[in-house]
Amino acid sequence: QKEVEQNSGPLSVPEGAIASLNCTYSDRGSQSFFWYRQYSGKSPELIMFIYSNGDKEDGRFTAQLNKASQYVSLLIRDSQPSDSATYLCAVKDKIIFGKGTRLHILP
Amino acid sequence: GAGVSQSPSNKVTEKGKDVELRCDPISGHTALYWYRQSLGQGLEFLIYFQGNSAPDKSGLPSDRFSAERTGGSVSTLTIQRTQQEDSAVYLCASSQLAGEAGELFFGEGSRLTVL
Repeated sequence: QKEVEQNSGPLSVPEGAIASLNCTYSDRGSQSFFWYRQYSGKSPELIMFIYSNGDKEDGRFTAQLNKASQYVSLLIRDSQPSDSATYLCAVKDKIIFGKGTRLHILP
Repeated sequence: GAGVSQSPSNKVTEKGKDVELRCDPISGHTALYWYRQSLGQGLEFLIYFQGNSAPDKSGLPSDRFSAERTGGSVSTLTIQRTQQEDSAVYLCASSQLAGEAGELFFGEGSRLTVL
């Protein structure tokens, strides 16, 4: 089993809808989790990090962590065309990344 | 500059040649990471430096790959006897805090093309 797994997409979401991105991880001892956004041809940039079970909200973004089920999610409310990018989930000390989910927001 | 600086931004080389890629992290950042990203793919972890500790080299794909970090600052990734499958963007990132807590700041990457 790969350390971090994501659906590669593309995930198409109508503008204004909620985009839901999921990530599972194999190391039950992982303590911290990150979501990065990468626009085409650009380097990744951090959107959110989460350490504790439950939800963490920042503007239109909500990260959800469930350590018992070993998954972490990112919800994007009121999706905008500018949210179209690849979203990378990353875990633990070496910052191992999933392969990313391509998100398309349909205007 | 205030960000992570990588050079060269683009490198075209012939199969079998050696290449060196340089990363200058943000001043004061103790952790430094190298990743490789092939076209349309995710980030592949290569190597991780943390302060004066021995680097985590577990991601290096073969013994043709090596990296150094001198004086806890600048890092060089060396690829010997390059192969066409080495063609990718090589991304460097640094972090102020170790391990779990640190946000990664990425450079713009070095695009390597092996002919």
